[in-house]
Formats: sequence, structure tokens, C-alpha cells
Amino acid sequence: DGGITQSPKYLFRKEGQNVTLSCEQNLNHDAMYWYRQDPGQGLRLIYYSQIVNDFQKGDIAEGYSVSREKKESFPLTVTSAQKNPTAFYLCASSIFGGTGELFFGEGSRLTVL
Amino acid sequence: SQQGEEDPQALSIQEGENATMNCSYKTSINNLQWYRQNSGRGLVHLILIRSNEREKHSGRLRVTLDTSKKSSSLLITASRAADTASYFCATETPQGGSEKLVFGKGTKLTVNP
Repeated sequence: DGGITQSPKYLFRKEGQNVTLSCEQNLNHDAMYWYRQDPGQGLRLIYYSQIVNDFQKGDIAEGYSVSREKKESFPLTVTSAQKNPTAFYLCASSIFGGTGELFFGEGSRLTVL
Repeated sequence: SQQGEEDPQALSIQEGENATMNCSYKTSINNLQWYRQNSGRGLVHLILIRSNEREKHSGRLRVTLDTSKKSSSLLITASRAADTASYFCATETPQGGSEKLVFGKGTKLTVNP
């Protein structure tokens, strides 16, 4: 079964800690994305990557970092510099960067205690 | 940056009725897409309509696009309780090879049995 796997589904973090959210896809897609969703809100783009070893900032990149060392993997690190990290994080991929439909994972819910 | 804006924010109907959701946007687009999200889950792509298309159908879904008014509508016919979800429009705007999707805040649809 092809798809996108995000882990963990739920994560609790103390203030001042960095956490890394995993996103793996076996769809052979070139492009991958991280979005943040707050209650009752739409999705806001954090980072995206159109090709291995390259990524660009989205609209709300401050306090986040990513890497794209393999085509299948696009982990997101939420650093202690992110002032309000409690949110639902969604990873997505598309065949080509920027066009066509996005395929989403099931999301990771991060709560800062 | 929020491009699309859905209307209404929430909609409650009875099973069997039709549900219409609208999306307005501000700048020219390459395409407009509609996604569905069940509570606490990832988004699922429903339909993509290109800027040179006026109407598209997929099963019980009908999407229209009016580029002169910068608006789109999603019609779900003969609704079912299982259609209960949030529905998001997303617009892809031309950005010279760095196109990405911008999501609205969504319409929360409740279909009562």
C-alpha cells in the first residue's frame, strides 16, 4: 500500500525541548510539504522540498527546521525557538512540486506542557 | 498568506439534502482544489479544477469555477451522514516554478441522519 506515514500520532513536549516529527512516503513523489493546522483554521505552510537536498521556507518557518537527505523522508524539527508549538502537523507529498493534488499523512498532534 | 476563503464557516443539513460550499480567492490561479478532512485526520483530495475549466463532476460532487468573480463552489448532492467533515478549498497561484497550494479556513459540514 502506497502512502504517507507520520509518527508519532501524539507527542507531548516540555517547554524548551526540541522534538522531531517523522514523515515517510513510498509514493516515489518528488515534492514534500509540512503544514501546521490550528483549531478552526486552515493549513499554513511551514517548509517544502521539491527535490532531495533542497528545501524552501513557507509562510511560517520561524522556529522550525527540516532536512531532505532521502527522497522518501522529510522530518520536521520543532525547536525551542517556536513560541507556540502546540498544533496539529500535517505532512504531504505531490508527484511534482507545486502542481497537482497533495497526498496527506494522518497528522501528528504536538502538545507543549 | 490566506488566499481562499470558504463560506459558510459551518453548515448543518439533513441526510438527503444538497450541500453547497463556496470559496472566494484574491489573485489569479493555475488551479483550485477541494479537500475533505474528517475530524483529527489528514486531508483527502476530492477534485481539481483548472483555470480554463468551468465545471467538473466526480460522483456526487460538482465543482464550478468562475474566474471573473474569483470564486468556486462545491456541491454535494444527496448528502449522507458519512459526508460529515470539514471541506477546504486550496488555490495554486503562478509563482515561476515555485508554485504551492494555499488553503482556506474550511467549511464544517454536519449531515444529520
